[in-house]
Amino acid sequence: EVQLVESGGGLVQPGGSLRLSCAASGFTFSTYSMNWVRQAPGKGLEWVSYISSSSSLIYYTDSVKGRFTISRDNAKNSLFLQMDNLRADDTALYYCVRETRIPQSYYFDYWGQGTLVTVSS
Amino acid sequence: DIQMTQSPSSLSTSVGDRVTITCRASQRISSFLSWYQHRPGIAPKLLIYAASRLQSGVPSRFSGSGSGTNFTLTISNLQPEDFATYYCQQSYDTPRTFGQGTELELK
Repeated sequence: EVQLVESGGGLVQPGGSLRLSCAASGFTFSTYSMNWVRQAPGKGLEWVSYISSSSSLIYYTDSVKGRFTISRDNAKNSLFLQMDNLRADDTALYYCVRETRIPQSYYFDYWGQGTLVTVSS
Repeated sequence: DIQMTQSPSSLSTSVGDRVTITCRASQRISSFLSWYQHRPGIAPKLLIYAASRLQSGVPSRFSGSGSGTNFTLTISNLQPEDFATYYCQQSYDTPRTFGQGTELELK
């Protein structure tokens, strides 16, 4: 059974840092691209970042470029999101998401339960 | 960035109804379109990928269609567990943008 378990969320002051982790199991982690997606309170889903299976390709949404860093450790089946210089509008539930790729499309087929990040003084 | 526009933003409906949600992309995205269901307190769930392919384990009352810029999600014979928010998402390019969501409410 595929499982994605996020951790590392919490309350942090503006300008602070947090490191989110995602422990993956039930599949060959090293062969899948991964993403972080977030949902702010009362808002819709927002894609945050992507990392390819070998870490050779990395993308971010504009609002987090230069502040967030995505990484992975395939030996430990883990995905990370280092979040620096946090702002109030980063407050959200952050999901770890597996991406499956077929020639006709890419899609998010497994999601974790999420970890809550609250940025407030 | 590719903008995804869903309509309607909310819909009051009843058990047993048939509903259609539309999603329009600001540029052609071929079939790089997925649909997700999101219920409060539960992780989002993939329903449809590649515009029209039903994810394994998803009931056949869910169906998707479209290509290019216009897409639809249809739910036939609504069940109580289907009252949720539905999102379309394009994976043709980054950022991987979502629609703003369509909330199904019990009439």
